[in-house]
Amino acid sequence: GQNIDQPTEMTATEGAIVQINCTYQTSGFNGLFWYQQHAGEAPTFLSYNVLDGLEEKGRFSSFLSRSKGYSYLLLKELQMKDSASYLCAVLDSNYQLIWGAGTKLIIKP
Amino acid sequence: ETGVTQTPRHLVMGMTNKKSLKCEQHLGHNAMYWYKQSAKKPLELMFVYNFKEQTENNSVPSRFSPECPNSSHLFLHLHTLQPEDSALYLCASSQDNSGGLPGYEQYFGPGTRLTVT
Repeated sequence: GQNIDQPTEMTATEGAIVQINCTYQTSGFNGLFWYQQHAGEAPTFLSYNVLDGLEEKGRFSSFLSRSKGYSYLLLKELQMKDSASYLCAVLDSNYQLIWGAGTKLIIKP
Repeated sequence: ETGVTQTPRHLVMGMTNKKSLKCEQHLGHNAMYWYKQSAKKPLELMFVYNFKEQTENNSVPSRFSPECPNSSHLFLHLHTLQPEDSALYLCASSQDNSGGLPGYEQYFGPGTRLTVT
């Protein structure tokens, strides 16, 4: 079966750095997405990785290792507004998005 | 209006009612999706429409009936629902569903919070 694993919840301090991991087992791979979802709101696109390595976009970076079936989202200089759920999703060989259950990130002052 | 809109935002219905959820996208996309989101569970893809044709139905019970009259509008007709159908129903759109990027990233609407009593 297809599976996406990410931690259920993480806590971090304002101004710090946090890394949210995602491991996947899917039938084929055509890229990995990270989305952010604030409580009661729609998921919004953060990043897409299809090649190994680190993609940096401001305070957020996303890393991919296809051989390990592993990705992480790195958030730097955390702000209170970063409190949200972070969803990992993999595009499989049929171009279907397989979603993880999301990681709820709690930022404390 | 911009992006993806959904109405209503909240819906409470009895198990014998019939209601419809509406989604509209103003992005010029050709693919539209219905998802179910339950607490602490992955997003569940329900239906996919690509250029108005249904290309995916993930074993969704027949009490959920989608309709896509054109590339900009998507409906989800509900009838004789069960309490376990209570969830957030999200609509999304993307440029197309052929798999090529750019354009595969999905844009989501704010969702309809459905409660079945």
